[in-house]
Amino acid sequence: GQQLNQSPQSMFIQEGEDVSMNCTSSSIFNTWLWYKQDPGEGPVLLIALYKAGELTSNGRLTAQFGITRKDSFLNISASIPSDVGIYFCAGHSGGGADGLTFGKGTHLIIQP
Amino acid sequence: DTAVSQTPKYLVTQMGNDKSIKCEQNLGHDTMYWYKQDSKKFLKIMFSYNNKELIINETVPNRFSPKSPDKAHLNLHINSLELGDSAVYFCASSRWLGDRTEAFFGQGTRLTVV
Repeated sequence: GQQLNQSPQSMFIQEGEDVSMNCTSSSIFNTWLWYKQDPGEGPVLLIALYKAGELTSNGRLTAQFGITRKDSFLNISASIPSDVGIYFCAGHSGGGADGLTFGKGTHLIIQP
Repeated sequence: DTAVSQTPKYLVTQMGNDKSIKCEQNLGHDTMYWYKQDSKKFLKIMFSYNNKELIINETVPNRFSPKSPDKAHLNLHINSLELGDSAVYFCASSRWLGDRTEAFFGQGTRLTVV
């Protein structure tokens, strides 16, 4: 099956720093989604990308759909304590009822 | 107003028991899913239902049986629970709009089998 490689696995940063994480796939996706999961909660959708090369922002978050359709990155600028959590990339390649293929997540830890 | 809600949030039970998890979405979506998140936080799809019809059934033991009484509900019944079934189970729903899809998740059910 399809696999997503998400990196880094974890990040320890200082408050105010910028963050960058990415996902690569062995196959093409038509949609890339980025989610954040807080402890004890479900994943919350941050950004959705639908076209190769698309660059989309949501506040301090920016994500891009790679030109090859096999990769995506997420940047967070000027990190704040509430950015702590696990960030997941997810790809969708098939029809409407097909599920998402998830990366293994990036644990973001912010040191005050 | 919770978009995707699932109950219970926590479920502790003994091996061999049968249990159910319920899920409801008020987004008007046509497709609902069950995902399993293991102890390493890896999320993997288990089932997909579209308009009450099973579309995807990944390599899940047949002790797991989803049931969709209507488009807004997708329940998960698990028979003869095993220790390895301990995980967090997430319900999700989505709507397919031509070339676009977004999935929204419930808060999860943490199942612990003892």
